Amino acid sequence: NAGVTQTPKFRILKIGQSMTLQCTQDMNHNYMYWYRQDPGMGLKLIYYSVGAGITDKGEVPNGYNVSRSTTEDFPLRLELAAPSQTSVYFCASSPRTGDRNTIYFGEGSWLTVV
Amino acid sequence: GIQVEQSPPDLILQEGANSTLRCNFSDSVNNLQWFHQNPWGQLINLFYIPSGTKQNGRLSATTVATERYSLLYISSSQTTDSGVYFCAVGNTGTASKLTFGTGTRLQVTL
Repeated sequence: NAGVTQTPKFRILKIGQSMTLQCTQDMNHNYMYWYRQDPGMGLKLIYYSVGAGITDKGEVPNGYNVSRSTTEDFPLRLELAAPSQTSVYFCASSPRTGDRNTIYFGEGSWLTVV
Repeated sequence: GIQVEQSPPDLILQEGANSTLRCNFSDSVNNLQWFHQNPWGQLINLFYIPSGTKQNGRLSATTVATERYSLLYISSSQTTDSGVYFCAVGNTGTASKLTFGTGTRLQVTL
């Protein structure tokens, strides 16, 4: 059971370039999330999805886009990369509701914009 | 939004010592989770504990929701316990839309 898988693990982008961070989960979780973590800080929610075809903004959505065409996949698109988007990005998933609302994280994607 | 404060920000322990980490939050919550981020950056869920007490081996956690705080206890610490411990809370009806604290950085020395 792979859990939450993110690719790529490391990436350097030039200012103005675009890229997609891929995320897939094999736990059949309804909910998926993208968080970013800046150095020395906690995580901040970028976007989340409660199921295929449904996405919504989190705390820091500007400069990003997402889609959720299947239960398994939740890619994050960075358009016109800026130095402020240098961060570690974590994809996560969780079951529907209730006591099993534990969230599981991928291993992170380190992104540097230069 | 909810404010989450963790204390202490940094903690150095000798192997075998016990510690208590605290998480205060500013509003009522229906979701509270503790995470350990290891030195390689991996985030591991320790507890889902919006209220009550849970134990898992040397770790235990207690949340007093009415007083808006949670405690994480680490007993007989080991060097593998080193890393950053995050408390994260949420108060929406669905999904784990969590607000994270800034963490407690723990270093366990021999």
